[in-house]
Amino acid sequence: AQSVTQLDSQVPVFEEAPVELRCNYSSSVSVYLFWYVQYPNQGLQLLLKYLSGSTLVKGINGFEAEFNKSQTSFHLRKPSVHISDTAEYFCAVSEWRGSTLGRLYFGRGTQLTVWP
Amino acid sequence: EAQVTQNPRYLITVTGKKLTVTCSQNMNHEYMSWYRQDPGLGLRQIYYSMNVEVTDKGDVPEGYKVSRKEKRNFPLILESPSPNQTSLYFCASSASQGVPFLSAFFGQGTRLTVV
Repeated sequence: AQSVTQLDSQVPVFEEAPVELRCNYSSSVSVYLFWYVQYPNQGLQLLLKYLSGSTLVKGINGFEAEFNKSQTSFHLRKPSVHISDTAEYFCAVSEWRGSTLGRLYFGRGTQLTVWP
Repeated sequence: EAQVTQNPRYLITVTGKKLTVTCSQNMNHEYMSWYRQDPGLGLRQIYYSMNVEVTDKGDVPEGYKVSRKEKRNFPLILESPSPNQTSLYFCASSASQGVPFLSAFFGQGTRLTVV
């Protein structure tokens, strides 16, 4: 089974500063990677995904993430955050084994708090 | 509007009293799943279903049951709830062609408290 590690449980940052939320996963032959965002009292919303191709993927709200196979990482970045980005962010990994559909494994989440 | 609807949103119950949390999706998705979210633990999968009458255990299935008699509905059943099942529960659905999680939709969540 996959394990997903989000290295920071809380990340406080000031508005307009850059931010990076870190995510590492256990090695596998073929993985798909996702970041989800959860705003207070809401469900999860897909932020971005990596399936194949370019290792730099862009998502909604100005977020982007870079897939690094050698380091088994998929860190999320934004060059300038807004107060409205305050939310919990979850990294998730799905793995494929042959023709078997994979399951989705979540990290423990990172609470991003943006201060004015 | 594409959505996953869970009911109820909030529930307080007593130990041992059977309860059902409903989940319905209007996107004709084959894949549906239940997760529980606990502070510091992220989301853990309880059960999932690849299609009608096809269900399988996730990471934390103990104390839960599910059924998938229709494509749109995937209820979560707690036959005898215990306090350690106090949690925030999410239902999710997605199409299963290709990568099943390409467009996963999540419900708004059900906050369950068992006293």
